Amino acid sequence: GAVVSQHPSWVICKSGTSVKIECRSLDFQATTMFWYRQFPKQSLMLMATSNEGSKATYEQGVEKDKFLINHASLTLSTLTVTSAHPEDSSFYICSAPKVDTQYFGPGTRLTVL
Amino acid sequence: GDSVTQMEGPVTLSEEAFLTINCTYTATGYPSLFWYVQYPGEGLQLLLKATKADDKGSNKGFEATYRKETTSFHLEKGSVQVSDSAVYFCALSTSGGSNYKLTFGKGTLLTVNP
Repeated sequence: GAVVSQHPSWVICKSGTSVKIECRSLDFQATTMFWYRQFPKQSLMLMATSNEGSKATYEQGVEKDKFLINHASLTLSTLTVTSAHPEDSSFYICSAPKVDTQYFGPGTRLTVL
Repeated sequence: GDSVTQMEGPVTLSEEAFLTINCTYTATGYPSLFWYVQYPGEGLQLLLKATKADDKGSNKGFEATYRKETTSFHLEKGSVQVSDSAVYFCALSTSGGSNYKLTFGKGTLLTVNP
């Protein structure tokens, strides 16, 4: 298999602050990574595709300036939630493909007070 | 657009019971179909997949058959164990190669009691 990690696993922040979430592929390289958001008792919703060395591709309805994505290396993508508000509280999950299988990180629980 | 509908849970079974979790899909073209499992506190793991009609995916005693005529990919297991307690997600992809996006169902929470 392959391993994808996320850091932090949970974070609590005040409204108006920014939070950075890291997604790492530990034992393989990934030119593409995906960021999902999961609401309680709901499905995972794809937010954006992170592309190494180029701009991320955002899904319709996702604010680019709100959710900044940087894919600076072949093993690291970061999601920054800028000026977070309580409605941004959610479970954020990343994934990276290796061959023909997507490998998922364990997720990051964000709570904005 | 693409969508996945799976039976809503929670599903509660006794050990050794038979499991079926229904999944149907709507997609353009010919999607690949997946079942992912999320154990408590862990990330999603691929359980099984099927890439074309009539293919059967299987793993750890779980099976699912790609039925194009009914656009379904139901998950089954003949005898569940307590360790199978988890959330199960049905998903599809219509993109090819390694750069593919997944569309997920809402997930079904399975609890197996001893």
